[in-house]
Amino acid sequence: DIQMTQSPSSLSASVGDRVTITCRASQTISSYLNWYQQKPGKAPNLLIYAASSLQSGVPSRFSGSGSGTDFTLTISSLQAEDFATYYCQQSYSTPLTFGGGTKVEIK
Amino acid sequence: QVQLQESGPGLVKPSQTLSLTCTVSGGSISSGYYYWSWIRQPAGKGLEWIGRIYTSGSTNYNPSLKSRVTISVDASKNQFSLKLTSVTAADTAVYYCARELDNYGSKCFDPWGQGTLVTVSS
Repeated sequence: DIQMTQSPSSLSASVGDRVTITCRASQTISSYLNWYQQKPGKAPNLLIYAASSLQSGVPSRFSGSGSGTDFTLTISSLQAEDFATYYCQQSYSTPLTFGGGTKVEIK
Repeated sequence: QVQLQESGPGLVKPSQTLSLTCTVSGGSISSGYYYWSWIRQPAGKGLEWIGRIYTSGSTNYNPSLKSRVTISVDASKNQFSLKLTSVTAADTAVYYCARELDNYGSKCFDPWGQGTLVTVSS
């Protein structure tokens, strides 16, 4: 199985901050990496697919980058509605696997 | 747009079989070239992919659960289902169904159902 490791596991930030979350795969996964946002009590919501493509309807302050084993999700200017948990997910091979999540909290 | 809704018992006894159904609305489960997946999340923990079924009926399962999982599809009802046998407390989780899209080769989940909590307890 491909292990996905996210860091940090949690962070505190203020509205307007630039936030960066990293995801590392245990082996190369090319650009087969997706990012999701999950709010409490809700299903995850797709933000970024294929490492850097913005899902329709997702604000442009979200961006993704990386390839191979190292990936980054960036929120350019954190908004109140962005406080949530973020997950990466690899689709290079089955079993499809997720990172452990990064909880973004209000400072 | 396509919407998914999970249904099934919220409480299952240990050693019994967990059975859930996902109803797809706003589109035919047989149209397009999609996988339909089940994913679970224990309280306060991360996401675990359980398995998927293609519109043709072919399946892939997570090896960690493969011996206990069956996913099937009923196109006439626009539904797909999950059966997990011999459950234990470790199977207590919110269970989600989701459509798997192929976006530029990267398979991603969108949309998701709202999720249903299944508790394993006597």
